[in-house]
Amino acid sequence: AQSVTQPDIHITVSEGASLELRCNYSYGATPYLFWYVQSPGQGLQLLLKYFSGDTLVQGIKGFEAEFKRSQSSFNLRKPSVHWSDAAEYFCAVGANNGNKLVFGAGTILRVKS
Amino acid sequence: DAGVIQSPRHEVTEMGQEVTLRCKPISGHDYLFWYRQTMMRGLELLIYFNNNVPIDDSGMPEDRFSAKMPNASFSTLKIQPSEPRDSAVYFCASGTGINNEQFFGPGTRLTVL
Repeated sequence: AQSVTQPDIHITVSEGASLELRCNYSYGATPYLFWYVQSPGQGLQLLLKYFSGDTLVQGIKGFEAEFKRSQSSFNLRKPSVHWSDAAEYFCAVGANNGNKLVFGAGTILRVKS
Repeated sequence: DAGVIQSPRHEVTEMGQEVTLRCKPISGHDYLFWYRQTMMRGLELLIYFNNNVPIDDSGMPEDRFSAKMPNASFSTLKIQPSEPRDSAVYFCASGTGINNEQFFGPGTRLTVL
């Protein structure tokens, strides 16, 4: 069965610093991979997605993620974090039975000024 | 184009009462998903529909929960009778079925006293 692991429950970075959020997945074939962001009291917003092709994908708000098949990873990065990036981030993999998504537990990002 | 619409945004009710949550998916989307989010269990898929037909309801916690999709533009999630442990944020999401991509509504925050 598919699974997603986000090893960091909380991460704190200084404003202007770089960011990397980790995501590892378990899936037998080429996965569909997603990163969503959830601001407090809001729904989940799609940041970026990987289906095939170029393994480095660009998303909204200056985020990017790199698919590494050998490491079963899809880490999210941003070169310079802004205070407004404070939120919870979810990695998800497309399941092969139906059109379901399997979500990780989420990583809460705190940005200190 | 409007996104996924959910109502109400907040619901406070007393134990034993019936609760109905509503969702309007994005026009043209064939898939509709209901999720529940809690601190303890994270984001859980409750049920999903394809072309108004329930496909997988294995995530529905118990018989007190039921979901319907009478047409392509409307779905309900009903809890009867409600219990305090049902307190959570309930999300609706919709998608085209292409590459498992899903678009989330803003959620309904349910509090059962």
